[in-house]
Amino acid sequence: ILNVEQSPQSLHVQEGDSTNFTCSFPSSNFYALHWYRWETAKSPEALFVMTLNGDEKKKGRISATLNTKEGYSYLYIKGSQPEDSATYLCAFRAGGTSYGKLTFGQGTILTVHP
Amino acid sequence: DGGITQSPKYLFRKEGQNVTLSCEQNLNHDAMYWYRQDPGQGLRLIYYSQIVNDFQKGDIAEGYSVSREKKESFPLTVTSAQKNPTAFYLCASLPDRTYGYTFGSGTRLTVV
Repeated sequence: ILNVEQSPQSLHVQEGDSTNFTCSFPSSNFYALHWYRWETAKSPEALFVMTLNGDEKKKGRISATLNTKEGYSYLYIKGSQPEDSATYLCAFRAGGTSYGKLTFGQGTILTVHP
Repeated sequence: DGGITQSPKYLFRKEGQNVTLSCEQNLNHDAMYWYRQDPGQGLRLIYYSQIVNDFQKGDIAEGYSVSREKKESFPLTVTSAQKNPTAFYLCASLPDRTYGYTFGSGTRLTVV
């Protein structure tokens, strides 16, 4: 079973702070790295699908980077807002006949205080 | 609007009973997946299906069964052989490599 680790497990920040989380994944047999945002009482929502080493993706105040050679990805949130409070999941997709199977990290729970 | 519908939202099961969780999608996605979430753990893959009438075991398939008779539907049966079925269950679908999963809203199963 593949090992995907996220840190920290939880994070409390003040409104306006910038923050970042880490996702570590296997550095071999890489196909893609996914990031999801999961708000309470809602379905997880895809943020980014990253496939190339050095990829940087941005969506509003949220951005992500990818290093497949060393097996990590960072998610950054600039100027956090209370509506950013959610669990952020990363998921690793291996190459070969993975058929889209994802291995998820345990998530980082972000709470943004007004 | 296209999406994935999971039902019911909450389900209570007595010991020794089989229960079936519904997952329906109108996105025309070929691939569908069932994941389970337990407190403090990442989502774990139970079963997945790439096409109609074909499905594969995931990492924790014991005590579960699925069917894929139609592209739109991928029901999960939690059998009495599943020793610890109380959990939150998520269904997902995937169009292709460049997109992420679309998830349903989940079913919370409790054994009473």
